[in-house]
Amino acid sequence: NAGVTQTPKFRVLKTGQSMTLLCAQDMNHEYMYWYRQDPGMGLRLIHYSVGEGTTAKGEVPDGYNVSRLKKQNFLLGLESAAPSQTSVYFCASSYGDRDSGNTIYFGEGSWLTVV
Amino acid sequence: GENVEQHPSTLSVQEGDSAVIKCTYSDSASNYFPWYKQELGKRPQLIIDIRSNVGEKKDQRIAVTLNKTAKHFSLHITETQPEDSAVYFCAASRAYSSASKIIFGSGTRLSIRP
Repeated sequence: NAGVTQTPKFRVLKTGQSMTLLCAQDMNHEYMYWYRQDPGMGLRLIHYSVGEGTTAKGEVPDGYNVSRLKKQNFLLGLESAAPSQTSVYFCASSYGDRDSGNTIYFGEGSWLTVV
Repeated sequence: GENVEQHPSTLSVQEGDSAVIKCTYSDSASNYFPWYKQELGKRPQLIIDIRSNVGEKKDQRIAVTLNKTAKHFSLHITETQPEDSAVYFCAASRAYSSASKIIFGSGTRLSIRP
């Protein structure tokens, strides 16, 4: 049981390049999330999904796209990277049901630098 | 939109003393309030949570209180130890809802002085 796994862990991009962050969870969770963490800004929700085939915008969705084609995977895409997207990205997942409340479990994070 | 405010942003306490971190939320439909601890370079991890049908919850040296009327909740750490040094995040969400997104506070950096 690996929990929530993110790849890659570290990446340096040039401005304008595109890339995809991959997130996989093996806990059969319905809900999945992508957050970014910047110094002094806490964790800000980019996009989230409440089930396979669904996605929704969070607090800071601009410049990002997501897809949830399979229940266990949630992909975050940057079509044209900008220096402002330099950040640590955390994927997370949760059951979202009554008994579990909405306890979320985080991946280890992906450090992205855009130069 | 929904918002969670957290105070203070930094907190330094003497080892053995208590630490209190406070949060307020804007969405009156929020019913689930977790607290996460994040050590340097690590992922956030859940330390305690509380649901809206409970006013207080305690787990050893950690306790959380909730005031639904005032829409604020607090984390209390007693008898602080060096390993309590970390960044703490509060959060609020509507559990059981298809609109369930978890909004985090901006974090509190807690330092324990020896």
